[in-house]
Amino acid sequence: DAGVTQSPTHLIKTRGQQVTLRCSPISGHKSVSWYQQVLGQGPQFIFQYYEKEERGRGNFPDRFSARQFPNYSSELNVNALLLGDSALYLCASMMGQGPYEQYFGPGTRLTVT
Amino acid sequence: LAKTTQPISMDSYEGQEVNITCSHNNIATNDYITWYQQFPSQGPRFIIQGYKTKVTNEVASLFIPADRKSSTLSLPRVSLSDTAVYYCLVGENYGGSQGNLIFGKGTKLSVKP
Repeated sequence: DAGVTQSPTHLIKTRGQQVTLRCSPISGHKSVSWYQQVLGQGPQFIFQYYEKEERGRGNFPDRFSARQFPNYSSELNVNALLLGDSALYLCASMMGQGPYEQYFGPGTRLTVT
Repeated sequence: LAKTTQPISMDSYEGQEVNITCSHNNIATNDYITWYQQFPSQGPRFIIQGYKTKVTNEVASLFIPADRKSSTLSLPRVSLSDTAVYYCLVGENYGGSQGNLIFGKGTKLSVKP
């Protein structure tokens, strides 16, 4: 079975631009969480979505938004990019709303110049 | 939320047993202790979880004293492929219903030949 997939693998954007990152969960998993990992730090929780609804939100500005589709895939959107948004963005899926083990994807490396 | 403290880095040699200790003085009654492993440019991977005493699986053991204010991840006979960052997490079981995992900075383990 395929694991969590994310696209694109790498992305370079300019300050002020907008970016959309995509995640496909493991087949049968209905919940997706997003994390931001800055170099040298552990991942930080951004959002959790379950059944297309936001179920949890971390301490991130409103420039960050997400949504989940009927097939349980998800998109993370970041508007008005700042240099500090440069990070590895990780998606994790789990069977349901929780608590269940989370399975992480390989991440999308975003560089903002 | 209980804060965790773990060594920034550790060195070991192939074939040795490695013990990584994590301090969590303010652990709550409902909190679990979970360890994740992360290789460069990959998402974290669940290793082991416990609540009290000792838990063992095919890759590691987790020792938790009676007061639960610390825990020790034990990796038997490490190999070069165990070189990674290891995160100690304390919180709701698998992040609870919100899937909110709280990561610290982790311990960078370097295994040498």
